[in-house]
Amino acid sequence: SQQGEEDPQALSIQEGENATMNCSYKTSINNLQWYRQNSGRGLVHLILIRSNEREKHSGRLRVTLDTSKKSSSLLITASRAADTASYFCATPDIKAAGNKLTFGGGTRVLVKP
Amino acid sequence: KAGVTQTPRYLIKTRGQQVTLSCSPISGHRSVSWYQQTPGQGLQFLFEYFSETQRNKGNFPGRFSGRQFSNSRSEMNVSTLELGDSALYLCASSSSTIQGDSTEAFFGQGTRLTVV
Repeated sequence: SQQGEEDPQALSIQEGENATMNCSYKTSINNLQWYRQNSGRGLVHLILIRSNEREKHSGRLRVTLDTSKKSSSLLITASRAADTASYFCATPDIKAAGNKLTFGGGTRVLVKP
Repeated sequence: KAGVTQTPRYLIKTRGQQVTLSCSPISGHRSVSWYQQTPGQGLQFLFEYFSETQRNKGNFPGRFSGRQFSNSRSEMNVSTLELGDSALYLCASSSSTIQGDSTEAFFGQGTRLTVV
C-alpha cells in the first residue's frame, strides 16, 4: 500500500505560472522527501524536510509540512518547460532503520511553453 | 563524483528465465536500495542492503533476491520471470549510516526489463 497519496494526479500549466501539488501520508514520519522523475528515467532528489520543520526552500521550490494533518505541499514558482516531469513524495519507514522509502502515486506536471 | 550506475539499461527476457541486474552506488555510500516501478503499482520498495547485509525487505516473493559486495556494488536477481515482472527497476544509494538514519537517496537511470 502507498503511504503517500498525491493530489492532483496531473497538472497542466503555462510557463511562468506556479505549480502546487500536495501529498498526504498515513503514519508518523521523521522526514518527508520530494523527488522528480523525467519520463522513464531515474528519480532526482529535490528536498528533504524533517518532521520538526514547517517550511523549506530550495531555489524555485518551496515545501511545507503539516504533521498534524499528515500532509505536505510542493510549490514550484515561475515554472519552466524543463519542469515538466512527475513529482513524488516519499516517506521513510519510521519503524525500519535505514532508507526504506514509501512513495506516493506522483503528480504529472506539464508546463506548456 | 560519479552517480549511481545501473546496467544494463534495457533487457528483454522470456517467461521462466532469470535475470540479474547490477548497480554501482556513489563512492562512499554503503546503503543500496532497489525499487520496482510499474504503471499499475507505482514505485515499490524491494530491499535495502547495507555493508553486505540486507537491512530492509519489501513485500515481494522469494523470486526476487539481492546481494551486496564488499565494494558496496549490488545485484538483484529475479528467477522464474513472469509477465508481471516487466517494469523499470531502480537502484538508489544513500549515505545512510549503521545507525539507520534516513537520508536523501540518489537514483540510477534504471533498468527497463521486458518479459515476453
